[in-house]
Amino acid sequence: QSVLTQPPSVSAAPGQKVTISCSGSSTNIGKNYVSWYQHVPGTVPKLLIYDNNKRPSGIPDRFSGSKSGRSATLGIAGLQTGDEADYYCGTWESSLSVVVFGGGTKLTVL
Amino acid sequence: QVQLRQSGPGLVKPSQTLSLTCGISGDSVSSNSAVWNWIRQSPSRGLEWLGRTYYRSKWSGNYAVSVKSRIIINPDTSKNQFSLQLDSVTPEDTAVYFCARGDQYFDYWGQGTLVTVSS
Repeated sequence: QSVLTQPPSVSAAPGQKVTISCSGSSTNIGKNYVSWYQHVPGTVPKLLIYDNNKRPSGIPDRFSGSKSGRSATLGIAGLQTGDEADYYCGTWESSLSVVVFGGGTKLTVL
Repeated sequence: QVQLRQSGPGLVKPSQTLSLTCGISGDSVSSNSAVWNWIRQSPSRGLEWLGRTYYRSKWSGNYAVSVKSRIIINPDTSKNQFSLQLDSVTPEDTAVYFCARGDQYFDYWGQGTLVTVSS
């Protein structure tokens, strides 16, 4: 069971927007930055969002991140079939001095 | 451009030690700003952070609670690389292992190594 809670799966049609939630506690999301990763099995995970809402160079602005209190959200607009992947949130767990990830959310673009 | 290159065996027998190395180019394992991590991924557990090493006037590290009793992550400054050693492996340790650079987020990753624990 992961420290951060994500929905196991989400789905939407091409062109639509989807959001993926990540719920934590006061000792992780509540006091630290959140990052988001896209992982297609068999490939290397890709950093999508860091410091809650910043995008690395090369990540399109269709991807957005936000944080409020003990939860964070990843938004993906203008869905494409190529967005099908597993998405993970991550942050620092201050009570244990470790990095924690959510359990992952499988995105299906119908 | 930072590149991380992993090496090590893909098959380990139960109860033995898993050993992987991550070679760094474009950065230094001794950097005062970088942090070097090992992360694994499996279908059953998703992404799992294992631990990290970093240099801030002295070498320090942190390890995940789940593996703390049997993991060592060591820097090798002479080769500009760092390594993962995981003792007493079981089939539960079967996963794709990645090295990655980053403190609270991971911007550069190794290519991944599928490690299967089987006799």
